[in-house]
Amino acid sequence: QKEVEQNSGPLSVPEGAIASLNCTYSDRGSQSFFWYRQYSGKSPELIMFIYSNGDKEDGRFTAQLNKASQYVSLLIRDSQPSDSATYLCAVRPSGAGSYQLTFGKGTKLSVIP
Amino acid sequence: DAGVIQSPRHEVTEMGQEVTLRCKPISGHNSLFWYRQTMMRGLELLIYFNNNVPIDDSGMPEDRFSAKMPNASFSTLKIQPSEPRDSAVYFCASSSPPVLNTEAFFGQGTRLTVV
Repeated sequence: QKEVEQNSGPLSVPEGAIASLNCTYSDRGSQSFFWYRQYSGKSPELIMFIYSNGDKEDGRFTAQLNKASQYVSLLIRDSQPSDSATYLCAVRPSGAGSYQLTFGKGTKLSVIP
Repeated sequence: DAGVIQSPRHEVTEMGQEVTLRCKPISGHNSLFWYRQTMMRGLELLIYFNNNVPIDDSGMPEDRFSAKMPNASFSTLKIQPSEPRDSAVYFCASSSPPVLNTEAFFGQGTRLTVV
């Protein structure tokens, strides 16, 4: 069973702070990793993807990948109330299942004004 | 492009009734996924199709669930008979052939309530 684990939260941070969201995965051969944001009552939408070890930055968002530790994280700098949502980590596994994405249960983030 | 289109957006039905959910993927996408989302279990993959062919249906909970993709622009997920524990949000997603950065695009979902 290929699993993706996230802390369900809720994670509360004050406005302007850095929010750190973490994800671990069980399939060591996983190829690529995605962070989706889901507002309440809405569908998931892609924020970032990463497939190489290290950091990838896009505006206020930074994704970090450590394949040796099977760990991926998302940092949100200068958090805004509009960032309050559930963040889903998704992993594209290796092998025959590589068409699909396996999702974690998500971490709920609340940014307090 | 209009994105992935699902219908209906909301469905309320009585236990024992048949429910059919519909999905139109993004044109040109050859992979289609049906997911179910609940608070307890998160986002679960039910089935996915590649080039209209079901590739993996191991996530389909039981024989009451069935899915079809008769052509590249249409898929259905059917529950017969429906039960209260089927109440969830059902998402359809589509993607292009997988390379490292291929993302799945989600429809707006169908909120199903079985009473």
